[in-house]
Amino acid sequence: QSALTQPASVSGSPGQSITISCTGTSSDVGGYNYVSWYQQHPGKAPKLMIYDVSNRPSGVSNRFSGSKSGNTASLTISGLQAEDEADYYCSSYTSSSTSVVFGGGTKLTVL
Amino acid sequence: EVQLVESGGGLVQPGGSLRLSCAASGFTFSSYWMSWVRQAPGKGLEWVANIKQDGSEKYYVDSVKGRFTISRDNAKNSLYLQMNSLRAEDTAVYYCARDRRGGYNPVFDYWGQGTLVTVSS
Repeated sequence: QSALTQPASVSGSPGQSITISCTGTSSDVGGYNYVSWYQQHPGKAPKLMIYDVSNRPSGVSNRFSGSKSGNTASLTISGLQAEDEADYYCSSYTSSSTSVVFGGGTKLTVL
Repeated sequence: EVQLVESGGGLVQPGGSLRLSCAASGFTFSSYWMSWVRQAPGKGLEWVANIKQDGSEKYYVDSVKGRFTISRDNAKNSLYLQMNSLRAEDTAVYYCARDRRGGYNPVFDYWGQGTLVTVSS
């Protein structure tokens, strides 16, 4: 069982917006602004999309945004495109084991 | 262009050892923390270990402490993971990743394509 809880799957149509949640505790997501999001296409290496809750690395589309409220972080993808279909993982620093933990992953399907 | 290329994976018996390597190029290797992250078949991601720029600090996930050793050779732009006393639960694709922050709070901004380690008799 993963330390952070994500929905197993979400879906949306091209052009729509979707949000993926990542729920933790006050020892991780809620206690620190150290949430990251990674995108992984099948058989490929993960790619960093968001770090420190809402920061986008250079080269990542501004259609991707991150936020946090309490113990839940969220990744929002606006203007869905077929190429966004992938698995998405959140991660957070956790004080309970002084390391980084990941969520179980969410499969995004673009209908 | 940042490139990370892992090698050294394969099939090993329980209790055996394996050494993974990661060749880095396209950036100043000696300026970055580096990490290993693994992914069991069909499962999620798990951070394994990271190492400071000069090798003076190393951190490990509890499940590999005492069995795995991370190291680096800045002259060769290479990262290593020595894995001893391997268990079935260590079976995974192992990714080498550049770490933009380091310490107990890594952020992985570039990843290799991974190398598969299978622990089975």
